[in-house]
Amino acid sequence: DAEITQSPRHKITETGRQVTLACHQTWNHNNMFWYRQDLGHGLRLIHYSYGVQDTNKGEVSDGYSVSRSNTEDLPLTLESAASSQTSVYFCASSLGQLTDTQYFGPGTRLTVL
Amino acid sequence: EDQVTQSPEALRLQEGESSSLNCSYTVSGLRGLFWYRQDPGKGPEFLFTLYSAGEEKEKERLKATLTKKESFLHITAPKPEDSATYLCAVQAGSGGYNKLIFGAGTRLAVHP
Repeated sequence: DAEITQSPRHKITETGRQVTLACHQTWNHNNMFWYRQDLGHGLRLIHYSYGVQDTNKGEVSDGYSVSRSNTEDLPLTLESAASSQTSVYFCASSLGQLTDTQYFGPGTRLTVL
Repeated sequence: EDQVTQSPEALRLQEGESSSLNCSYTVSGLRGLFWYRQDPGKGPEFLFTLYSAGEEKEKERLKATLTKKESFLHITAPKPEDSATYLCAVQAGSGGYNKLIFGAGTRLAVHP
């Protein structure tokens, strides 16, 4: 079955370290998204991609970067982790039509000490 | 500024006690309104999409409705397994292609 996976599921790191969270989907979806979820804020968009080699900033993109070298993967990199980036991170994908449904991965819980 | 507000923040029901969750929105040009269910430690699971005022969709004990300013998620005779956080999201014309704006969610607890 087609799916969207994230790894690792849990990560503890130290302030200042570079961290990369993986997202892989097998639906052949054009669009991929990264969100963070914090209590009281709901899901906030970090970066998104409409296809290979395309990346765009969301509302909370500072300190994060993404790259899209193929259809299946959109890794999220924290250049220099900060305690404010402790959160749960979700990856999502959608087919790429004008209005269509985003399907979410299981999430990665990141703790920055 | 586009905004989505969900109420109440938390709701406790007895099994069989029907109720409604509210999602109000102020956006420029609604393209679609989405409801998701999220269980603890898991990613959001898609429930419904509504596109225009007056539209309704049903799935088991859940029914979603849409007006020009808000959406309701009606839960009829809930069971303990309906306990979860319910998220509302809108896709707006001003937000760009296919981007969603989420509310903070309603945490629903159904007790036997």
